[in-house]
Amino acid sequence: DGGITQSPKYLFRKEGQNVTLSCEQNLNHDAMYWYRQDPGQGLRLIYYSQIVNDFQKGDIAEGYSVSREKKESFPLTVTSAQKNPTAFYLCASSITTDYGEQYFGPGTRLTVT
Amino acid sequence: DAKTTQPTSMDCAEGRAANLPCNHSTISGNEYVYWYRQIHSQGPQYIIHGLKNNETNEMASLIITEDRKSSTLILPHATLRDTAVYYCIVRVELDTDKLIFGTGTRLQVFP
Repeated sequence: DGGITQSPKYLFRKEGQNVTLSCEQNLNHDAMYWYRQDPGQGLRLIYYSQIVNDFQKGDIAEGYSVSREKKESFPLTVTSAQKNPTAFYLCASSITTDYGEQYFGPGTRLTVT
Repeated sequence: DAKTTQPTSMDCAEGRAANLPCNHSTISGNEYVYWYRQIHSQGPQYIIHGLKNNETNEMASLIITEDRKSSTLILPHATLRDTAVYYCIVRVELDTDKLIFGTGTRLQVFP
């Protein structure tokens, strides 16, 4: 089955801790994305990557970091500098960033207390 | 900011057609209209997209007005599983710009 996996589904952390969210895809897509969604809101872009070893900031990159060492993987680290980290985090991929058809993972709901 | 305007919510009876409108009055000639939906607590799902011609696939039909200032997504026979938030997005194809998700239309399909 081709698709995007995110783990875990739910994640709980204490304030002040960094946490890394996993995103893996086996669709052979070059482009990958991280979005954040708050209750009742649309999605906001955190970071995106057009190709391995390359990534760009989205609209709300402050307090987050990413890496793209492998085509299949695009982990997101939520650092202690992120002021409001509790949210639903969604990873997506597309053939390239040229195309608007993005495939989304199931999401990770992060709660920081 | 999103370039589209959608109603906040709509209802539809199961088995009937659901017609979801979207206004995009400032759309440029090279911008496509995309539709996604998001079922509660899941990732969004791509539905369909088009430039100026009407499009149909196994999920839905997309009707774009001749002036391209508005469009309608049609789910021909809505089921309870179509209950979701539907997002209308305009985007330039072959552009590295992001998808901009607004707040969408919450469609409730009732028995």
